[in-house]
Amino acid sequence: DAGVTQSPTHLIKTRGQQVTLRCSPKSGHDTVSWYQQALGQGPQFIFQYYEEEERQRGNFPDRFSGHQFPNYSSELNVNALLLGDSALYLCASSLDTSGGSTWDTQYFGPGTRLTVL
Amino acid sequence: AQSVAQPEDQVNVAEGNPLTVKCTYSVSGNPYLFWYVQYPNRGLQFLLKYITGDNLVKGSYGFEAEFNKSQTSFHLKKPSALVSDSALYFCAVRARSNNNDMRFGAGTRLTVKP
Repeated sequence: DAGVTQSPTHLIKTRGQQVTLRCSPKSGHDTVSWYQQALGQGPQFIFQYYEEEERQRGNFPDRFSGHQFPNYSSELNVNALLLGDSALYLCASSLDTSGGSTWDTQYFGPGTRLTVL
Repeated sequence: AQSVAQPEDQVNVAEGNPLTVKCTYSVSGNPYLFWYVQYPNRGLQFLLKYITGDNLVKGSYGFEAEFNKSQTSFHLKKPSALVSDSALYFCAVRARSNNNDMRFGAGTRLTVKP
């Protein structure tokens, strides 16, 4: 049973470029959340996808967008990259058990390390 | 909005000694509380959670945590530390009224010395 997988592992971009990160959830999970973890800090919630829609969003600008596919996998897109976007981007999956919200455990992938030069 | 504080950036203990990693939280209403561990260049691994019921929660690798509502704390404990427990530990909280947004603390680096 595969856990949460993310690709690519590492990515180097320059300011102003656009990037797409990918996530496959743990088998049986239908909800995907994305987090940004800057160096020396805890993860910060970007947004969560459920039933192919953004269900909730943290305090991140519109440059950050996402998508969820029918197979529950997800993408995170960041436009107009800034130096401050350099971070580890974590994907977490969970199973919605309460018809629209979930208190179940989130399982994290290994992350994508994004460096913006 | 909910928030988490981990007052210690670093905790050092000797192998075989008990360890405690502290966490306090702020949330409206009753919380869901979690502990995760992160090893170098890895994602977060789930250790344990408090949802409801018994205030003492037992988790993976011999860790446990005690929910204290009056002190709004959820400290992580282990009776006997191992060198392999050395890692970065994160406490997280989700509000039951807004439980799709999980807030993490800044993390505590635990070092267990032989």
